[in-house]
Amino acid sequence: NAGVTQTPKFRVLKTGQSMTLLCAQDMNHEYMYWYRQDPGMGLRLIHYSVGEGTTAKGEVPDGYNVSRLKKQNFLLGLESAAPSQTSVYFCASSYLKYNEQFFGPGTRLTVL
Amino acid sequence: KQEVTQIPAALSVPEGENLVLNCSFTDSAIYNLQWFRQDPGKGLTSLLLIQSSQREQTSGRLNASLDKSSGRSTLYIAASQPGDSATYLCAVRPDLGSNYKLTFGKGTLLTVNP
Repeated sequence: NAGVTQTPKFRVLKTGQSMTLLCAQDMNHEYMYWYRQDPGMGLRLIHYSVGEGTTAKGEVPDGYNVSRLKKQNFLLGLESAAPSQTSVYFCASSYLKYNEQFFGPGTRLTVL
Repeated sequence: KQEVTQIPAALSVPEGENLVLNCSFTDSAIYNLQWFRQDPGKGLTSLLLIQSSQREQTSGRLNASLDKSSGRSTLYIAASQPGDSATYLCAVRPDLGSNYKLTFGKGTLLTVNP
């Protein structure tokens, strides 16, 4: 099993550009999450999904959109990137809401 | 609002030493607590998940304890090795209905010197 994978690993954007981060899991997990990690701030939840076709806002959802069209994939979109969105983005999944969360390797995004 | 604190922020020990990492949380209404390891530039690797009804959980040289009423957890690492060098994070999950949010501490950076 590959576990949780994320693409791309690195990306540099200019302010105002858009992009989509892809997260895939092969563990048949129902729940998927997007976090961002910033120095001094720790990990913060952006959006999450409790199953195919569902999404919900987390702690810091502004400026991001998500979609979960297939159970194994969870996409994070930035419509108009801002320098404040420079961060490392992690995707995670869990079988049920109270189960162990498994994390992907992360995407390092820089917005100039 | 739940707050998770990890002390110390950084720790350096010689190889072979037993060590304890601390995690404290302000709201004791938690469902479980998870310890992670993060290597530089990498994702988080789950180490141990300890349920609120448990006192401790063990995996190899790692032992996590939980005192829910006092809002504390410790991660004990026996016979530390240079390969244990990483940042260790704890995260708590609230015991509230549909709240899925994990609250993370900022981590303890562990360096084990050969």
